[in-house]
Amino acid sequence: AQSVAQPEDQVNVAEGNPLTVKCTYSVSGNPYLFWYVQYPNRGLQFLLKYITGDNLVKGSYGFEAEFNKSQTSFHLKKPSALVSDSALYFCAVRDFLSSGSARQLTFGSGTQLTVLP
Amino acid sequence: EADIYQTPRYLVIGTGKKITLECSQTMGHDKMYWYQQDPGMELHLIHYSYGVNSTEKGDLSSESTVSRIRTEHFPLTLESARPSHTSQYLCASSPTGGNTIYFGEGSWLTVV
Repeated sequence: AQSVAQPEDQVNVAEGNPLTVKCTYSVSGNPYLFWYVQYPNRGLQFLLKYITGDNLVKGSYGFEAEFNKSQTSFHLKKPSALVSDSALYFCAVRDFLSSGSARQLTFGSGTQLTVLP
Repeated sequence: EADIYQTPRYLVIGTGKKITLECSQTMGHDKMYWYQQDPGMELHLIHYSYGVNSTEKGDLSSESTVSRIRTEHFPLTLESARPSHTSQYLCASSPTGGNTIYFGEGSWLTVV
């Protein structure tokens, strides 16, 4: 069964500093990996995804994520954090059954990012 | 920006009432989903549909029901609401063959 873990419930970082939100996954095949962001009282917004190709994926709002197959990780990063980046971030994974059909998306538990001014 | 709409955004209702949460998307996506999320917690898939007249239960058991009579519409119904149903419900859709899921703004349901 596929699973995804976000080991940190809370990440605090000072504005202007680089930020990292961690995500590790477990799948039986090749993963499709996603990051979503949720602002207070809002739905989820898609940030970026990794399907294949370059391990470094660039997404919305200056975020990027690096796919590391050996460490089964897909950490979200940003070189310089903004106060407005403060939100709840979800990592998600989807893999494929042997029949070729895709499983549903499995979400991590979420990481609350707080950027301090 | 994806065009997926949920109504109502916020609702407070009494125990035992019937409630329908509406979800519509204008993108022609075949796949639609309902997720349940308690504040700040992970999302759980409760229902999904791969097309008209197709509905399946998700990973988390739910007393709610769904219907898919039209491609663009995927309402969720609770026949008799209880306080344990208090949560946020997120509707989502994705195109056939696509890997990205687009979410609505969510419906916050409080049952008193």
